[in-house]
Amino acid sequence: GENVEQHPSTLSVQEGDSAVIKCTYSDSASNYFPWYKQELGKRPQLIIDIRSNVGEKKDQRIAVTLNKTAKHFSLHITETQPEDSAVYFCALGGGTSYGKLTFGQGTILTVHP
Amino acid sequence: DTAVSQTPKYLVTQMGNDKSIKCEQNLGHDTMYWYKQDSKKFLKIMFSYNNKELIINETVPNRFSPKSPDKAHLNLHINSLELGDSAVYFCASSHAGQSYGYTFGSGTRLTVV
Repeated sequence: GENVEQHPSTLSVQEGDSAVIKCTYSDSASNYFPWYKQELGKRPQLIIDIRSNVGEKKDQRIAVTLNKTAKHFSLHITETQPEDSAVYFCALGGGTSYGKLTFGQGTILTVHP
Repeated sequence: DTAVSQTPKYLVTQMGNDKSIKCEQNLGHDTMYWYKQDSKKFLKIMFSYNNKELIINETVPNRFSPKSPDKAHLNLHINSLELGDSAVYFCASSHAGQSYGYTFGSGTRLTVV
């Protein structure tokens, strides 16, 4: 079945640094790879996603890269700001998942001013 | 207008009680989901319904019974509540059973004492 490993579990950076979170997966049928940001006490919110026919996607300070051969995808945040502090989740979808999202374990990102 | 609304937002109840959480979406989506987020922030799907039909039923105790009276509503009834049921329960919806275009509700924090 679907399985996704997310690393690191916690990440602490200084404001202005870059942050990278990586997820590896096993189900080659997955073809949708979203990243969610969850602030304390709030709902998960989609920040960027990528589909399997694209290797990289960028939206301002956020980018996602996908390597389908190696079965991993990563979230890159540049010029981090304190408001980027949150829990970030990768997820898998598509294929025969019937809409199901399989989430990684989450990364607690702390950006120090 | 809240796209996916859940009630109640907080629920504190004693072990052994029966409780319900309600979810409604006004996005015109035809697929709705329940996810459970445990104390370690791990998000895992419980159920999904497409046009009132049960599509996904993960390994969830049969004390949990979802009900979808129409495609805009998905309720979750829990019998004989246990301490381990304490978690945040998120409702979500998407179109045509797709993994993309998800919208999450604001969550229901259930505490069983």
